[in-house]
Amino acid sequence: DQQVKQNSPSLSVQEGRISILNCDYTNSMFDYFLWYKKYPAEGPTFLISISSIKDKNEDGRFTVFLNKSAKHLSLHIVPSQPGDSAVYFCAASQIYNQGGKLIFGQGTELSVKP
Amino acid sequence: GAVVSQHPSWVICKSGTSVKIECRSLDFQATTMFWYRQFPKQSLMLMATSNEGSKATYEQGVEKDKFLINHASLTLSTLTVTSAHPEDSSFYICSARDREDQPQHFGDGTRLSIL
Repeated sequence: DQQVKQNSPSLSVQEGRISILNCDYTNSMFDYFLWYKKYPAEGPTFLISISSIKDKNEDGRFTVFLNKSAKHLSLHIVPSQPGDSAVYFCAASQIYNQGGKLIFGQGTELSVKP
Repeated sequence: GAVVSQHPSWVICKSGTSVKIECRSLDFQATTMFWYRQFPKQSLMLMATSNEGSKATYEQGVEKDKFLINHASLTLSTLTVTSAHPEDSSFYICSARDREDQPQHFGDGTRLSIL
């Protein structure tokens, strides 16, 4: 049972344009959502998070949007840069239940072309 | 801030050997540490959760006698793969956090290859 899904395994974007990565979840009990960036043979790097009481959180070029009714979140990167090329994982958790463990999506490989 | 160090980064050893992987939080106190495993082209799968001073909680299907976890201090957790076999070859990653409402921060992973 895949509780967190990233349906696009890959995405290619031109430098300077917007990258939109999508993530869907099925468990309405999730109350904390995160995006991580990962390079091969390295651990994930935390990018941005959002609590279920919000619908938007912004940090520099990164904005995460949460639509609870649709059980959908997205990460917007604007403007996209070649250095953003990596695999992006969304993750969800229940903060105060189940030890706050993260459930990860399958990842989306972003390629930003110069 | 929020740096997690994992060591070693790569291990190659013979079948039957036990291998210990260390995970340290360098600039914060990690009340909880997590151990993940990642197969090629797949997502991270949680193996176990450890709280400082307590026994680890293992996910379903993970053998606790095979994967020994110790979280003896607020900055160090270890994963020991006992009597490793080729099917244990994988990429193991730890993470740590200080509070439940804070993100987990990950180490750089350990590539384990069992011959």
